[in-house]
Amino acid sequence: DGGITQSPKYLFRKEGQNVTLSCEQNLNHDAMYWYRQDPGQGLRLIYYSQIVNDFQKGDIAEGYSVSREKKESFPLTVTSAQKNPTAFYLCASSGDSHTGELFFGEGSRLTVL
Amino acid sequence: EDQVTQSPEALRLQEGESSSLNCSYTVSGLRGLFWYRQDPGKGPEFLFTLYSAGEEKEKERLKATLTKKESFLHITAPKPEDSATYLCAVQARANNLFFGTGTRLTVIP
Repeated sequence: DGGITQSPKYLFRKEGQNVTLSCEQNLNHDAMYWYRQDPGQGLRLIYYSQIVNDFQKGDIAEGYSVSREKKESFPLTVTSAQKNPTAFYLCASSGDSHTGELFFGEGSRLTVL
Repeated sequence: EDQVTQSPEALRLQEGESSSLNCSYTVSGLRGLFWYRQDPGKGPEFLFTLYSAGEEKEKERLKATLTKKESFLHITAPKPEDSATYLCAVQARANNLFFGTGTRLTVIP
């Protein structure tokens, strides 16, 4: 079955530690995205990539980093510079970077203690 | 400034009690409006795309409509399995999506 796989589903880390969230898709989509979801707020775009080896900052990129070495993979690193890292992180993909029809993964919930 | 507002924040319905969710928006140059369904602890699932005022889309008990200022998601004779948070997103000229905060729907048997 085609889809997006995020791992881990739950992650606990201490303050000051970098963490990397995995996102893999087998939909053959060119575009991939990382969003952050907090209670009472709409989804906010962290980074997006329209093609391999290229990515752009979204609205809240500070404290995050990404890579896109393979079409299928778009990992997100939450660095110690991110001031409020506890959140629900969602990875998505689309066949066309100009569309709003996104396929989302199941999400990763990060809790920083 | 581009903005998306969803109302109500939460809605409780009896099974079979039809109602509507609202998504009002102000964007410069609407390219599309999108509805998603999100179950607790899961990622959003795409439902509909609307591109122009007057357009309507239907899927089972859901019907989405669009005007120049807002979109409605009508739910006809809802069932408990329709309980979820419904998200609205708009795409402006810059292509980025602006998401609303969602309406949490609970359908009581």
